[in-house]
Amino acid sequence: SQKIEQNSEALNIQEGKTATLTCNYTNYSPAYLQWYRQDPGRGPVFLLLIRENEKEKRKERLKVTFDTTLKQSLFHITASQPADSATYLCALARTPVTGTYKYIFGTGTRLKVLA
Amino acid sequence: ETGVTQTPRHLVMGMTNKKSLKCEQHLGHNAMYWYKQSAKKPLELMFVYNFKEQTENNSVPSRFSPECPNSSHLFLHLHTLQPEDSALYLCASSQELGVGANVLTFGAGSRLTVL
Repeated sequence: SQKIEQNSEALNIQEGKTATLTCNYTNYSPAYLQWYRQDPGRGPVFLLLIRENEKEKRKERLKVTFDTTLKQSLFHITASQPADSATYLCALARTPVTGTYKYIFGTGTRLKVLA
Repeated sequence: ETGVTQTPRHLVMGMTNKKSLKCEQHLGHNAMYWYKQSAKKPLELMFVYNFKEQTENNSVPSRFSPECPNSSHLFLHLHTLQPEDSALYLCASSQELGVGANVLTFGAGSRLTVL
């Protein structure tokens, strides 16, 4: 069955360091991959989208890589700040044979940036 | 705010009650979604509407009844729920369906507790 794995354990890092979050998937060939941020008591907020033919995407301090051979996406936050503390979700969609694109979400990884 | 407003933010109900969750989007989007988020589980897609027509029901029990009177409003009517239905219910919207690069805009969610 299709499976998306994100590290369920919280990731604690020191302020100023680079945080790296992992999204692994099995039995799936996504055409699109998205990363969202979710704060406690709030809904997820879109951060970045990357296509299967793209290796890397950047936005300010954020960088996403997409390795379809390893079936993995890495999400990096450089020069991390305490305000980056949140849960980060990855979501994948494959090209449908019929119907519309459906995104499947991972469980998310909680990041805590220590001052 | 995200442009997607959900009410109420918190709801406590007994198993025999009837209540409704409301979602309104001010983004001019054409597609609207209901997701369920339970602790330690990935987001579960429940229903999808496109131009106020239901396009997906992800095998959701009939005690959950959606309603979409127009592209800006979405309701989830709740009746004879079970304690395991307690969760955060998230409404989302997107510009359109059928596009892989669809970005979801979520509301803050309605935290439901079933006693």
